[in-house]
Amino acid sequence: GAGVSQSPSNKVTEKGKDVELRCDPISGHTALYWYRQSLGQGLEFLIYFQGNSAPDKSGLPSDRFSAERTGGSVSTLTIQRTQQEDSAVYLCASSPSGLAGETQYFGPGTRLLVL
Amino acid sequence: GNSVTQMEGPVTLSEEAFLTINCTYTATGYPSLFWYVQYPGEGLQLLLKATKADDKGSNKGFEATYRKETTSFHLEKGSVQVSDSAVYFCALTSSGGSYIPTFGRGTSLIVHP
Repeated sequence: GAGVSQSPSNKVTEKGKDVELRCDPISGHTALYWYRQSLGQGLEFLIYFQGNSAPDKSGLPSDRFSAERTGGSVSTLTIQRTQQEDSAVYLCASSPSGLAGETQYFGPGTRLLVL
Repeated sequence: GNSVTQMEGPVTLSEEAFLTINCTYTATGYPSLFWYVQYPGEGLQLLLKATKADDKGSNKGFEATYRKETTSFHLEKGSVQVSDSAVYFCALTSSGGSYIPTFGRGTSLIVHP
């Protein structure tokens, strides 16, 4: 079927506003990951879902960041009270089971700009 | 913990030149190694991978060999094209502990005609 999709593709918001970023993984993939990619930087891990559970939230930078996944499918990353340093590309990836050795399939990303 | 170190970029080459991008790693357990490529404005996509020592991954003319003795997974291509211009990420997942992938910082490749 289709690959990983993310929406919106671009988001411009004002400092202090809340934003929601959406990820639709490949159908049947139980593992889902969120990453942040700042300009010229590598990938920063944010959170990992296995089904609807998040066994690893260690990468969330502050309590302004939260994420959920429902129905073992769609995931939403929410950033409350956005700050300028939140500006980045947010990437979502999924894999079949989350096991070592599996390929990750990435979405095109959401480019967030906080003014 | 796990870590991946890539050579700093950008790497600038002329078309048909030979490419090497170095990648070394530290890991617990038995890692699987990956190269992902990110074309401008897109997400990452798998280029190649190797899941055990001495395996060679290959795709689109790119190759990398999993060298356990030197903890390396260098990416090579014999003749680069302008269309290979992208950012290349080395990554690993390890069976020893969390399966969360560890990525290198990425190496930008610019190929001139």
